[in-house]
Amino acid sequence: DAKTTQPPSMDCAEGRAANLPCNHSTISGNEYVYWYRQIHSQGPQYIIHGLKNNETNEMASLIITEDRKSSTLILPHATLRDTAVYYCIVRGNTDKLIFGTGTRLQVFP
Amino acid sequence: EAGVVQSPRYKIIEKKQPVAFWCNPISGHNTLYWYRQNLGQGPELLIRYENEEAVDDSQLPKDRFSAERLKGVDSTLKIQPAELGDSAVYLCASSVQGYEQYFGPGTRLTVT
Repeated sequence: DAKTTQPPSMDCAEGRAANLPCNHSTISGNEYVYWYRQIHSQGPQYIIHGLKNNETNEMASLIITEDRKSSTLILPHATLRDTAVYYCIVRGNTDKLIFGTGTRLQVFP
Repeated sequence: EAGVVQSPRYKIIEKKQPVAFWCNPISGHNTLYWYRQNLGQGPELLIRYENEEAVDDSQLPKDRFSAERLKGVDSTLKIQPAELGDSAVYLCASSVQGYEQYFGPGTRLTVT
């Protein structure tokens, strides 16, 4: 499975959009981009995933570049409850998730 | 729908003692995972079950760790004997094969 690179930390003002970048330059054609987040003292929570098209659900939007070498997770209106560690994971045909150290997002009032 | 249930939530033991963690997955989820998460790191897979069969245990330290999933439902992860370096959060997750994983809250183990 391809490796990902994320900034270690980011800040965002409450009510503003949080844009979390992820680089996955070695991604293969059949590998998906998954995003999970982990709020303090909880287990990771699935957010969204995509292959090559942009995706949106009730939690977030996922923008994948045309060459698929990077992606951005967008939380359109961040709240204090969105403070968490966000993991970008590239997943192949297996069920295996390989977590990195993620991006610690701090949403401030 | 009930989520993944884990117990206990916290456990403190002395080194060389045994410890066990229990997980009940979401009903209908045939795949079950145990992860270990060290402080400041992402979770690392220890073992994956498809029903009652362990299909990936390559990262499980088999000299002291064991796991079972009798009847393909709930699962137990055991450490015997525990070492100081085993202090971590142990997470259980479940999924319908091929779909997203749902995680429990984890068991925080402290070995003194």
